[in-house]
Amino acid sequence: KQEVTQIPAALSVPEGENLVLNCSFTDSAIYNLQWFRQDPGKGLTSLLLIQSSQREQTSGRLNASLDKSSGRSTLYIAASQPGDSATYLCAVSINQAGTALIFGKGTTLSVSS
Amino acid sequence: EAQVTQNPRYLITVTGKKLTVTCSQNMNHEYMSWYRQDPGLGLRQIYYSMNVEVTDKGDVPEGYKVSRKEKRNFPLILESPSPNQTSLYFCASSLNTGDRGMETQYFGPGTRLLVL
Repeated sequence: KQEVTQIPAALSVPEGENLVLNCSFTDSAIYNLQWFRQDPGKGLTSLLLIQSSQREQTSGRLNASLDKSSGRSTLYIAASQPGDSATYLCAVSINQAGTALIFGKGTTLSVSS
Repeated sequence: EAQVTQNPRYLITVTGKKLTVTCSQNMNHEYMSWYRQDPGLGLRQIYYSMNVEVTDKGDVPEGYKVSRKEKRNFPLILESPSPNQTSLYFCASSLNTGDRGMETQYFGPGTRLLVL
């Protein structure tokens, strides 16, 4: 059974630091992986989606990488800002139809000014 | 503005009193789904729908019903709520290409439900 793990569960950094969030999955047979951001009291916002054939995706200060064979993905945030404080979740798609998503429990990031 | 809306946002009810949480999207998406989020358990899928009149169970469907009579709406129905259904509920939608895994998911703001 596919399991998705995100370590650490919480992370605190000062403003301006570059940081990496980790996501690991137990079964490499995934179709794609998506990173989300969740703010308190709000829904999830999709940040980046990486297809299984891709190695990375970039959007602004965010860069997500995927190493399917080792079951790992990282989300790199450059020059962190207090506005980046949120919970970040990753999810893997385990069927072709995209109907079965397995989520990690998230990493809660706090960026202090 | 492209969005997924849910109503109500907050709900307190009592055991056994039927309730419906509505979900609507304005992006003409085929795929819609419901999740519940619980501390320590993360997000778990309740039901999903590939298109109008096509629904299927997710990981935790017990105690829930759904319907998809229109493309834009996907209500979640709790026929006889119980305290273990106290949770934060999210509706999501996406395009459905059906051949390369999930597409970009758009989530609603969430409905916080308390069942006494």
